[in-house]
Amino acid sequence: DAGVTQSPTHLIKTRGQQVTLRCSPKSGHDTVSWYQQALGQGPQFIFQYYEEEERQRGNFPDRFSGHQFPNYSSELNVNALLLGDSALYLCASSLWGVSGANVLTFGAGSRLTVL
Amino acid sequence: AQSVTQPDIHITVSEGASLELRCNYSYGATPYLFWYVQSPGQGLQLLLKYFSGDTLVQGIKGFEAEFKRSQSSFNLRKPSVHWSDAAEYFCAVGPERGGGNKLTFGTGTQLKVEL
Repeated sequence: DAGVTQSPTHLIKTRGQQVTLRCSPKSGHDTVSWYQQALGQGPQFIFQYYEEEERQRGNFPDRFSGHQFPNYSSELNVNALLLGDSALYLCASSLWGVSGANVLTFGAGSRLTVL
Repeated sequence: AQSVTQPDIHITVSEGASLELRCNYSYGATPYLFWYVQSPGQGLQLLLKYFSGDTLVQGIKGFEAEFKRSQSSFNLRKPSVHWSDAAEYFCAVGPERGGGNKLTFGTGTQLKVEL
């Protein structure tokens, strides 16, 4: 049973560039959330997608955008990269609307370095 | 707004010794509480969760945690630590009802195990 898969695992960009990160949810899951984990910090919620729509959003600027596809996979896009965007980006999947079971399954993450 | 505090940034214990990692939360209602573990270069793995009922919850790898409403705490314990437990541990609080997947994480506690 495949868990959450993310790609790429590592990437290096320069300031001002744009990046796209990809996530395939665990089999049977229909909801994808994205988190940013800066060095030495806990993960911070970016947004969540269900039925191809953004359902919740954390305190991140509009430079961060996403998409969910009909097969439930998702992309995270970050425009106009800043040095501060360097972080581990974690994708998590779950089932929508399962009361009392908001258990997230996390991928291994994409490590973004902005130079 | 909900928040999580993990007062200990680093903890060092000897192999075979007992372990307690502290977690305090701020939340308006009965929270969903989680402990995750992150090994270097890995994503987050769920150790245990509390939704309701028995305040002492058992998890994987011999870990347990106790929910204490009066102290707004959800401390993680293990009676005998193994060298393989060295990792970073995150406490998180989640929304009360199904659908939303926004978890708020603490800043983590780095556990070092001395042989």
